Amino acid sequence: QVQLQESGPGLVKPSQTLSLTCTVSGGSISSGSYYWSWIRQPAGKGLEWIGRIYTSGSTNYNPSLKSRVTISVDTSKNQFSLKLSSVTAADTAVYYCARERVTRAYMDVWGKGTTVTVSS
Amino acid sequence: QSVLTQPPSVSAAPGQKVTISCSGSSSNIGNNYVSWYQQLPGTAPKLLIYENNKRPSGIPDRFSGSKSGTSATLGITGLQTGDEADYYCGTWDSSLSAGAFGTGTKVTVL
Repeated sequence: QVQLQESGPGLVKPSQTLSLTCTVSGGSISSGSYYWSWIRQPAGKGLEWIGRIYTSGSTNYNPSLKSRVTISVDTSKNQFSLKLSSVTAADTAVYYCARERVTRAYMDVWGKGTTVTVSS
Repeated sequence: QSVLTQPPSVSAAPGQKVTISCSGSSSNIGNNYVSWYQQLPGTAPKLLIYENNKRPSGIPDRFSGSKSGTSATLGITGLQTGDEADYYCGTWDSSLSAGAFGTGTKVTVL
């Protein structure tokens, strides 16, 4: 079955760019049936939707993060990536990647999550 | 600030039933499918309900979902200690062109 795995630095300095990659295994990221999404969760708080990308490269972003977020896809590596610029301590969170069913708005496969801390 | 509102917590004794509400608007719940997720401590969220009331394979029928207008409800019957977790509703917001999660509800089994 499809599995997702997040990877990237666990520590990022303030004002720098957070970069994470999600590797998809057991299935093709080029499937037309899914979006590929990023969600985050600060410690002790709720889930925050960051954005998503379709295999074509079409994206949607959370309006509150839109000016700082870029999500891209590399179909040759079966990966998609998140870049969040100008980070502050408020961006410290567990970051999850997930698969979202097109037109159905549900996420049926999630990665285990990776913790990113923003600190100097 | 989430566009979907849930009660912070609900509780009941083992074997009893709890319901969790998720309140939104016409731009989200009112015109889009609702899903529900269970997050056990220290783990990633897990899909419980999709398309308002459907259960993925492996999810027991103790879990149920419904939607009416701009609100949705998750029901858990025959409550078990293993159901202690945080629960989130989710949907798409057509006005924001963005996904949205509820504020989350902690279920405690007394």
